[in-house]
Amino acid sequence: EDKVVQSPLSLVVHEGDTVTLNCSYEVTNFRSLLWYKQEKKAPTFLFMLTSSGIEKKSGRLSSILDKKELFSILNITATQTGDSAVYLCAVEIDSGAGSYQLTFGKGTKLSVIP
Amino acid sequence: DTAVSQTPKYLVTQMGNDKSIKCEQNLGHDTMYWYKQDSKKFLKIMFSYNNKELIINETVPNRFSPKSPDKAHLNLHINSLELGDSAVYFCASSQYLGEKLFFGSGTQLSVL
Repeated sequence: EDKVVQSPLSLVVHEGDTVTLNCSYEVTNFRSLLWYKQEKKAPTFLFMLTSSGIEKKSGRLSSILDKKELFSILNITATQTGDSAVYLCAVEIDSGAGSYQLTFGKGTKLSVIP
Repeated sequence: DTAVSQTPKYLVTQMGNDKSIKCEQNLGHDTMYWYKQDSKKFLKIMFSYNNKELIINETVPNRFSPKSPDKAHLNLHINSLELGDSAVYFCASSQYLGEKLFFGSGTQLSVL
């Protein structure tokens, strides 16, 4: 059975701290790994990672994938209260003939306090 | 022990047909959602139900009609399918609106 495990499940930090969120997976036919930020009702797409060792960056957020060890990390530097959200990791699995499925982790709830 | 399950996983159909996607959650959550994932991997909310009542209805064509027979189920019926409806549709649930989402694995709809 395909599995995506995120850790920690929740995290409380102070503004200015740096955080690292973890996502490990065990799936067949890996295609890509996606990170989303969930605030309120809808997740916002952050990154899509397909290749090992290549860091993706967007402002204070960065992410990297290790396909050998089957995990990804999401780093947030100089955290702000607006970073408070649930961060979801999802793995795309190739189902053949151009189709795919997503398996989501349970998310990491990040709370940034002033 | 699947938490959120949706069926079918794949759906290939002709333009103009009517089809349904079913979703069930066994988490005891009060709120369920339908999302459409676009080609850029963005997840766009379509509908949300809380205890069988519609609470979110984004700008979605009338051809899409959600139905919630009970709070554990939220089905999506699509009339007169069009080519542009081809996408992956995700069902999700949360304890309350805005709480952590639990997703199904998606239904890949292909309209020919």
